[in-house]
Amino acid sequence: KAGVTQTPRYLIKTRGQQVTLSCSPISGHRSVSWYQQTPGQGLQFLFEYFSETQRNKGNFPGRFSGRQFSNSRSEMNVSTLELGDSALYLCASSSERHSYEQYFGPGTRLTVT
Amino acid sequence: DAKTTQPPSMDCAEGRAANLPCNHSTISGNEYVYWYRQIHSQGPQYIIHGLKNNETNEMASLIITEDRKSSTLILPHATLRDTAVYYCIPRDGTASKLTFGTGTRLQVTL
Repeated sequence: KAGVTQTPRYLIKTRGQQVTLSCSPISGHRSVSWYQQTPGQGLQFLFEYFSETQRNKGNFPGRFSGRQFSNSRSEMNVSTLELGDSALYLCASSSERHSYEQYFGPGTRLTVT
Repeated sequence: DAKTTQPPSMDCAEGRAANLPCNHSTISGNEYVYWYRQIHSQGPQYIIHGLKNNETNEMASLIITEDRKSSTLILPHATLRDTAVYYCIPRDGTASKLTFGTGTRLQVTL
C-alpha cells in the first residue's frame, strides 16, 4: 500500500505570493491533517479534514486554508506569504477504524524569501 | 491538552535497551498516551499508545505508572536506525489532532 505523498517536496516563494500544497492520503483513509514544523515552534497542528469537511482547526491566521476533495486528497493554501511561513509542512492521514495512528508524509519544505 | 515533560536528549549504546521517560502529571482520565518519533528529514512515525495498561508491539513497549502521571517507552534493543526525536503525546481518544512537545532526541551510538 502506497504511503502518504506530498507535492511538491520543495518550494521557494517570495513574500506576498500565495502557495498551494497537495497531499494524497493512503488509500481508504478519509481523514487528512496538516501540520507546520519550524525550528522555533516545533510541530503545530493546522487543521484536519474528514469527508470534505474541516473537522478541527489549530491556532493559525486565516491566511492558512485548506480543502479536501471527494477522493480524500487534500490541499492547503497559504496566501500573502510571510518570511515566518518558511517551514516544513506535513500531511498525515488516518483511517476511521484506526484513527489513533496517523501516517505522515515526507513533507513539503517551503522557503519564503 | 495535558502538558508533558521529557528530557531533551539521551544517549544509548547500540544493542542496549533505550528507556525514554515522560511526565504527564496533568493527564485526564480519557487521554491516552501516544508515542511518535521523527527520524531526521522524515515525517513523524507512530510507535505505540496506551491508556493505563502496559502495551507492547513489534517496535516497543510502553509502561504507564498506576497513577498515569508518567510513562516510559522502551526500545528493547536499540539500533542506529532508532536515532530520532521521540514525542510523548497525551491525546483524547476521540481527538484528531496531535499536540507535539519538544520531545527527546535519542542518539544511538556504536
